[in-house]
Amino acid sequence: QLQLQESGPGLVKPSETLSLTCTVSGGSISTNYHYWGWIRQPPGKGLEWIATIYYSGNTYYNPSLKSRVTISVDTSKTQFSLKLSSVTAADTAVYYCARDVRYSYQYYGMDVWGQGTTVTVSS
Amino acid sequence: EFVLKQSPATLSLSPGERATLSCRASQSVSTYLAWYQQKPGQAPRLLIYDASNRATGIPARFSGSGSGTDFTLTISSLEPEDFAVYYCQQRSNWPITFGQGTRLDIK
Repeated sequence: QLQLQESGPGLVKPSETLSLTCTVSGGSISTNYHYWGWIRQPPGKGLEWIATIYYSGNTYYNPSLKSRVTISVDTSKTQFSLKLSSVTAADTAVYYCARDVRYSYQYYGMDVWGQGTTVTVSS
Repeated sequence: EFVLKQSPATLSLSPGERATLSCRASQSVSTYLAWYQQKPGQAPRLLIYDASNRATGIPARFSGSGSGTDFTLTISSLEPEDFAVYYCQQRSNWPITFGQGTRLDIK
């Protein structure tokens, strides 16, 4: 059974770079039509998509965050990672990683999620 | 950007009642739409994919319908565990977008 697990610092100082890793276990990260994404949720608010990557290296970013975000994949470690630079208190959120399955003519949804990791931006 | 608007923002119902949640897209997303349920302190759980297909393990009381710009999530008879927040999400075009959520409260 596929599982995702986020890891990274729970506290980041303002203006620094937030770095998170999602480890995929129980399956391959290099499967056709499977995309790997990051979603966040500020306290008491809704879900915000941050970025997605395909195993080939194709990347997709939320325009509102694009200038500060980098997503990468390491297929040998079955991991994908997120870097968010110049963080402020507004970046305080629970960060989730998820598998996103999209075929040419059908969308299977974000069907596997990590448990989420809380990141607080504070000095 | 494809904006998804969910209504109502909050829905107060009793167990056993029928719940109807709406998601309207600013442009056609065909059927590239999913619904998620989220309970406090938990990650979202996929309920419905491709607008009308139940995900693995999702009870039959959950159903999705719609295409283009108007979508509905229906819970035929509410169970106590169904009271949660529900989100729609589109994957028709980048960027991926979520609706703002509908909170389903116990009346």
